[in-house]
Amino acid sequence: KNEVEQSPQNLTAQEGEFITINCSYSVGISALHWLQQHPGGGIVSLFMLSSGKKKHGRLIATINIQEKHSSLHITASHPRDSAVYICAVTSGNQFYFGTGTSLTVIP
Amino acid sequence: GAVVSQHPSRVICKSGTSVKIECRSLDFQATTMFWYRQFPKKSLMLMATSNEGSKATYEQGVEKDKFLINHASLTLSTLTVTSAHPEDSSFYICSAREQGWYEQYFGPGTRLTVT
Repeated sequence: KNEVEQSPQNLTAQEGEFITINCSYSVGISALHWLQQHPGGGIVSLFMLSSGKKKHGRLIATINIQEKHSSLHITASHPRDSAVYICAVTSGNQFYFGTGTSLTVIP
Repeated sequence: GAVVSQHPSRVICKSGTSVKIECRSLDFQATTMFWYRQFPKKSLMLMATSNEGSKATYEQGVEKDKFLINHASLTLSTLTVTSAHPEDSSFYICSAREQGWYEQYFGPGTRLTVT
């Protein structure tokens, strides 16, 4: 069993839809990261959070430490949001990745 | 935010040759750098962790003599793929962390193709 599980693995949405990607983890963490990887491969760190909620533009990330769960929300989705979204956690000196959620937003 | 660069972004090399990939932290001192490999449609796999001035710690199954990692300064780490084979073709990503912080900053990655 992976330390970090994401769902769904694949997601297709119409432009404008509200999108939620979920992440659950099984280890104690000091931080949770949401990363975005575009088809070209480069990775961008979207959020790092250890409690509560963060918002950046149309992106919102929440975390519930007690439930060991985080969600990434995208409001008013756009085709340029199409990418792989990866959840990762820092646990001590270890860094665990989820397998990613591939998002396709259709115009 | 902190910036990590990688060079080159793409490289094609012939089987049997060696190729070096650089990872630089541009605006902070990276006491720890990480090297990852990503297979198609797979998540990132940690290859090794390097601390400035000391030998890298390799993950199980990663050949030390094949993937040479050097972290000689607080802003530069290099990964050298020696005697490359087509199966080494992959996407290699580095990340860097400043001492005392748990945030990792990722480089843009290097796509290696071995022909």
